[in-house]
Amino acid sequence: RKEVEQDPGPFNVPEGATVAFNCTYSNSASQSFFWYRQDCRKEPKLLMSVYSSGNEDGRFTAQLNRASQYISLLIRDSKLSDSATYLCVVIDPGTYKYIFGTGTRLKVLA
Amino acid sequence: ETGVTQSPTHLIKTRGQQVTLRCSSQSGHNTVSWYQQALGQGPQFIFQYYREEENGRGNFPPRFSGLQFPNYSSELNVNALELDDSALYLCASSSGEGLPYFGPGTRLLVL
Repeated sequence: RKEVEQDPGPFNVPEGATVAFNCTYSNSASQSFFWYRQDCRKEPKLLMSVYSSGNEDGRFTAQLNRASQYISLLIRDSKLSDSATYLCVVIDPGTYKYIFGTGTRLKVLA
Repeated sequence: ETGVTQSPTHLIKTRGQQVTLRCSSQSGHNTVSWYQQALGQGPQFIFQYYREEENGRGNFPPRFSGLQFPNYSSELNVNALELDDSALYLCASSSGEGLPYFGPGTRLLVL
């Protein structure tokens, strides 16, 4: 089983739609999780951290489910500018390495 | 912009050659990590340098090596290039165990 797994997509959604991505992780001792956004041919940029209690930043909500070992990202009222690849990141608790998923590609259609 | 710069932006090499990629970290950051991102994949951790010493390494062969300088800038060296080394190479700088900020990357093509 991969350390961090994501559905590669693409997820094609109309403007204004709500879309959710999940990311599963294999190490139950993992404590720190993040979502990064990567635009085509650009570097990844931090979108948001994922806290145990869940957190919200405008249209974006991140949640953690420790029992099932997954994190999620919910995007409400999708905009064309949300089209990108969303990378799930888990910090390995033993080595502190950042382990990236393969990313989920989102296309928001007009 | 993050303040992390990388050079060159693009590079074409042939199999068997050697390449050196460079990274200047963001001001105040003493840790640099390097990642390889193949097409359609997430970034894969190569290694990390903290205060000029390697302090973590991913599953990459010894022909991938690096350096960090007193000003915390860094180099990634790859010897005996293979076709599968074609990828985007990302450098990220951070302050200790803080969040990494990525540079724009170097796109390497091996023919």
